Amino acid sequence: DAGVIQSPRHEVTEMGQEVTLRCKPISGHNSLFWYRQTMMRGLELLIYFNNNVPIDDSGMPEDRFSAKMPNASFSTLKIQPSEPRDSAVYFCASSVTGPSYEQYFGPGTRLTVT
Amino acid sequence: QKEVEQNSGPLSVPEGAIASLNCTYSDRGSQSFFWYRQYSGKSPELIMSIYSNGDKEDGRFTAQLNKASQYVSLLIRDSQPSDSATYLCAVSIYGQNFVFGPGTRLSVLP
Repeated sequence: DAGVIQSPRHEVTEMGQEVTLRCKPISGHNSLFWYRQTMMRGLELLIYFNNNVPIDDSGMPEDRFSAKMPNASFSTLKIQPSEPRDSAVYFCASSVTGPSYEQYFGPGTRLTVT
Repeated sequence: QKEVEQNSGPLSVPEGAIASLNCTYSDRGSQSFFWYRQYSGKSPELIMSIYSNGDKEDGRFTAQLNKASQYVSLLIRDSQPSDSATYLCAVSIYGQNFVFGPGTRLSVLP
């Protein structure tokens, strides 16, 4: 079975550019999570969706970040404009709602903003 | 503010020994508890989940949960060099409000 798929795996961009990260959850999973991981702050939950609806976006750092889930098999995380402090690894994870809530992570996108 | 705390390590154990990883959490309403393993440059990989007080065993891994003490631990028996990684504790309330700890770096010495 295919796991969570993320693209691109690596992204290098210049400050001020728009960045779009993509995620395809595991088929049948109805919850999707976006995380950011840095050495300084560890793994932070940015936003999560349940049945394609954003439930909690309190972790989104600022208005430059936005996320969408237009259907059950696709989600995007967009940063516009990007800044060097956005450099991090961004993970997408998916799960099935109840009873275990176990999340499975994608391989991540390593973003570097110069 | 929900918090999950772990010793950052590194925790060094000799090959074949038992590695003990600990985690405490602040939110008494937490219902679900998870241990993830993360190798350098890779994504977190689920090892164990536990929901009830007591022990849960899976192969060389045993998760222990004590909700009264707000404490969850992971024991790795017969540690192998391939177990060297960062171990992340995660806590949630019914699949929401997922919070990860900072992770404990484990080094198993051959």
